[in-house]
Amino acid sequence: QQQVKQSPQSLIVQKGGISIINCAYENTAFDYFPWYQQFPGKGPALLIAIRPDVSEKKEGRFTISFNKSAKQFSLHIMDSQPGDSATYFCAARQGGKLIFGQGTELSVKP
Amino acid sequence: DADVTQTPRNRITKTGKRIMLECSQTKGHDRMYWYRQDPGLGLRLIYYSFDVKDINKGEISDGYSVSRQAQAKFSLSLESAIPNQTALYFCATSRGQAQETQYFGPGTRLLVL
Repeated sequence: QQQVKQSPQSLIVQKGGISIINCAYENTAFDYFPWYQQFPGKGPALLIAIRPDVSEKKEGRFTISFNKSAKQFSLHIMDSQPGDSATYFCAARQGGKLIFGQGTELSVKP
Repeated sequence: DADVTQTPRNRITKTGKRIMLECSQTKGHDRMYWYRQDPGLGLRLIYYSFDVKDINKGEISDGYSVSRQAQAKFSLSLESAIPNQTALYFCATSRGQAQETQYFGPGTRLLVL
């Protein structure tokens, strides 16, 4: 049973375009929603995170949109660059543990 | 030097063998985690430890055991490896409480033949 569902599994975007990755959850006890970025051969690293009392958080070209009533949140990457090519994981936290989504492999074409 | 290190980085073993994956951290964090990563399944929690005397099962603990030897060390063992344990394994640490960020090691790629 996947508590956090992530889509799409893979995404190809042209340089300068907008990348959008979506996640949905069921458990209303989740209290923190981070996104992790993973480059090939590396461990995941925190990219950006949001709490459920906020609807949007922006850091540079990266934005999280959070819809508490729909139990959905998404990552938007503006002006996508080839260096953004990586695997992205959404996650949700409960009791100090993170539950991760299935991951999205993003490829940004020059 | 890396804050979270994992050894070995790559391992090939045979079905039925016992193997141990080791994790060390220099971040001074109390909390440590073991995950496995499989294509299409994301990262799944195997075991976690909030301090040296605290060990908890995660989502997929069957076939695995752990040891928290010290604040800085957390080992994962496969008592009798099987092919479906072939995966990428990650250790992570966090300070806990309000500091939610988990810091991941570089991973161990395990192949069970």
